[in-house]
Amino acid sequence: DIQVTQSPSSLSASVGDRVTITCQASQDISHYLNWYQQKPGKAPKLLIYDASYLQIGVPSRFSGSGSGTRFTFTISSLQPEDIATYYCQQYDNLPSFTFGPGTKVEIK
Amino acid sequence: EVQLVQSGAEVKKPGESLKISCKGFGYSFSSYWIGWVRQKPGKGLEWMGIISPGDSDTRYSPSFQGQVTISVDKSINTAYLQWSSLKASDSGMYYCARKIYYGSGSYFGNWFDTWGLGTLVTVSS
Repeated sequence: DIQVTQSPSSLSASVGDRVTITCQASQDISHYLNWYQQKPGKAPKLLIYDASYLQIGVPSRFSGSGSGTRFTFTISSLQPEDIATYYCQQYDNLPSFTFGPGTKVEIK
Repeated sequence: EVQLVQSGAEVKKPGESLKISCKGFGYSFSSYWIGWVRQKPGKGLEWMGIISPGDSDTRYSPSFQGQVTISVDKSINTAYLQWSSLKASDSGMYYCARKIYYGSGSYFGNWFDTWGLGTLVTVSS
């Protein structure tokens, strides 16, 4: 099975900071990776699909990049409303859609 | 507006059965697979399985195979997740989500673009 790790598991940053989260797959998964945001008490929300495509309606401060085994998710300028847990999701070995363990983002 | 509306919270005893639902609005329900995701309190997201409403083709995560049953009634645009005998460890929030598929030549992508609000299942004696 393909394993997906995320780092860091949590971070604290100031408003306006650039925030980067990394997702590492145990083997090459091409571009088969999505990113979701989950705010406390809410359902997950799709932000980035296929590693780098911004979902419609999502602010442009969110971006994704990478391919193969290493992927990054970036918030270019952290806003108070970005407080959430962020999950990557791989789907190289369909029909499995494995989530990473999540990264909790807090405001310093 | 595309929406997935899930059934309400449930409180059950161990050993009881349960069926929760996810009804699609605002799109062609039969054309998009529906997935189910579990989230235990304070924990991460776990992918459980997925069903095609068009032909009821169903795939399960190995972790959930045999533990739950995913089904669909396309005549009423509704997918289901059911348990025949609940355990305390089944307690959690359960989300349904619509899967988008894009394919062009050798390139393809899959993602979950619309999510239900979740159904909280509490199993306690």
